[in-house]
Amino acid sequence: GNSVTQMEGPVTLSEEAFLTINCTYTATGYPSLFWYVQYPGEGLQLLLKATKADDKGSNKGFEATYRKETTSFHLEKGSVQVSDSAVYFCALPHNAGNMLTFGGGTRLMVKP
Amino acid sequence: NAGVMQNPRHLVRRRGQEARLRCSPMKGHSHVYWYRQLPEEGLKFMVYLQKENIIDESGMPKERFSAEFPKEGPSILRIQQVVRGDSAAYFCASSLRLAGGLSDTQYFGPGTRLTVL
Repeated sequence: GNSVTQMEGPVTLSEEAFLTINCTYTATGYPSLFWYVQYPGEGLQLLLKATKADDKGSNKGFEATYRKETTSFHLEKGSVQVSDSAVYFCALPHNAGNMLTFGGGTRLMVKP
Repeated sequence: NAGVMQNPRHLVRRRGQEARLRCSPMKGHSHVYWYRQLPEEGLKFMVYLQKENIIDESGMPKERFSAEFPKEGPSILRIQQVVRGDSAAYFCASSLRLAGGLSDTQYFGPGTRLTVL
């Protein structure tokens, strides 16, 4: 079935550093791809999504491009802030079903 | 438009008791999903419901766990005779129904953190 693999954390960066969190997927067809963010003690918030190949999702300075050639959906941000410290999850629908399959999450820690 | 609501936010139960978790989807959303997050792990799908129907419960443990989404009122995830291994964060998500029975983007509630003593 559909699956997603993302880089393990924690990722520790200084403020204003460049961020990349890798996510690769295995899927039947070309499902939508998602990045969710979980701030400490909170639920998941949708960060961005892409619904078809070559789409770029973007929000709050974060971007991810749906690349079918490399089956990847890497999350990037040019200049991270302390407030970006959170756990980031890559996700896609599970096969033909509507539920989501999540990666294991990547914890990002940004130091001032 | 209020987001997905879950209550309680924190729930403490002793082994053998019942835990009842509630989820009110976003207004207009007819699809509800429950996920479980064990400490330091990602989310795992448990069950997918539409009004008065369980669509997919393939991620639900076979015993002690049940879920419902009645015509009126919130969706309920019920765990009977809780054990320490049930301690986790339980998240509910909801989505719109698209044509062909497909679902739109899922929006998550703040979760219920269950602690079993």
